[in-house]
Amino acid sequence: GDSVTQMEGPVTLSEEAFLTINCTYTATGYPSLFWYVQYPGEGLQLLLKATKADDKGSNKGFEATYRKETTSFHLEKGSVQVSDSAVYFCALSKQGAQKLVFGQGTRLTINP
Amino acid sequence: GAGVSQSPRYKVAKRGQDVALRCDPISGHVSLFWYQQALGQGPEFLTYFQNEAQLDKSGLPSDRFFAERPEGSVSTLKIQRTQQEDSAVYLCASSPPAGGYNEQFFGPGTRLTVL
Repeated sequence: GDSVTQMEGPVTLSEEAFLTINCTYTATGYPSLFWYVQYPGEGLQLLLKATKADDKGSNKGFEATYRKETTSFHLEKGSVQVSDSAVYFCALSKQGAQKLVFGQGTRLTINP
Repeated sequence: GAGVSQSPRYKVAKRGQDVALRCDPISGHVSLFWYQQALGQGPEFLTYFQNEAQLDKSGLPSDRFFAERPEGSVSTLKIQRTQQEDSAVYLCASSPPAGGYNEQFFGPGTRLTVL
């Protein structure tokens, strides 16, 4: 079946460091890919998405590129802030299937 | 405007009790989803409604789990004869009507603890 694998956490960085959180997927066809974020005490929020190969999703300084050849959707940010501390989830959705398939999540902590 | 709301936010049940979890989606959202999130894991799909029709219930783990959305708005997830393995956060999400994929807006979740 379809699945998403994320790099294991937790990840701890200093403020202004470069961030990469790896995400790879297994799916038939051409899924849409997403990054969701869960800030402490809040619900899941969509951070960015990409719906076809080579698309780049971006939001709040975060970017991820849909790489079909490597079945990957790695999340990057050039300079993280303390406010980026959260749990990040990579997810996919198949056309017509509606439901999201999530990875296990990566907890990110940014120290000042 | 109001987001997706869920109640109760926390529920403690004794093993064998029945529980009912409520979800109020964003007004006008056609699609409604339930997910189960175990501690330290990503959410896992349970079931999906389009208006009042339950179109996919493939993720419900057993026949003790039942969901309904009788008027196409509020939804209830019912778990009968709760077991310890049912302890998790239950998330509800809704999305507006349109073709293709639409962003799912998540509620804060109900944390269920079965003793």
